[in-house]
Amino acid sequence: DAMVIQNPRYQVTQFGKPVTLSCSQTLNHNVMYWYQQKSSQAPKLLFHYYDKDFNNEADTPDNFQSRRPNTSFCFLDIRSPGLGDAAMYLCATSRQGANQPQHFGDGTRLSIL
Amino acid sequence: AQSVTQLGSHVSVSEGALVLLRCNYSSSVPPYLFWYVQYPNQGLQLLLKYTSAATLVKGINGFEAEFKKSETSFHLTKPSAHMSDAAEYFCAVSVSSGYSTLTFGKGTMLLVSP
Repeated sequence: DAMVIQNPRYQVTQFGKPVTLSCSQTLNHNVMYWYQQKSSQAPKLLFHYYDKDFNNEADTPDNFQSRRPNTSFCFLDIRSPGLGDAAMYLCATSRQGANQPQHFGDGTRLSIL
Repeated sequence: AQSVTQLGSHVSVSEGALVLLRCNYSSSVPPYLFWYVQYPNQGLQLLLKYTSAATLVKGINGFEAEFKKSETSFHLTKPSAHMSDAAEYFCAVSVSSGYSTLTFGKGTMLLVSP
């Protein structure tokens, strides 16, 4: 089945130690998104790619970076994680068009020690 | 700018009872509307979408929603709740012209009791 895969499902890192989360898709969608979701809250968009065009949300901290080396893969880098960055990180993809639904991976739950 | 309001952070129903989760939107242009469900420690799964065709939309797992422009609403219903319906439900609106940019409501947790 075509899908969005996030690895790892659970990630533990130390305060200040860089961490990378990965997302891959077999849907061949040209838009990819990264969201942060804290407990009992809605997902919050961090950034997205429309093909190779990168779009950063205005309130996304500089600590968060992203890379999309090809259509299938997208990475989220957190340069110096703080305790407040502990959350579920969701990757999603969609075809172009505002009427297209987003397809989500199962997320990576990040814990900070 | 668009926004979504979901009334009730928690809704409790008995198994077999009607499920009604409320969603109201605000948008200056015709919206596209979506309902997603999230089970614990999982991503969001699309339940159904309204994209300006039929106003009554049927989705997966027996859910449906009706787009009412006059009331700016897109409430989610299911005639008979199952225990497996217990989850968090998010309503979202998209109005971007080029690609989907979702604005989510705060979510409603559906609790189903035996």
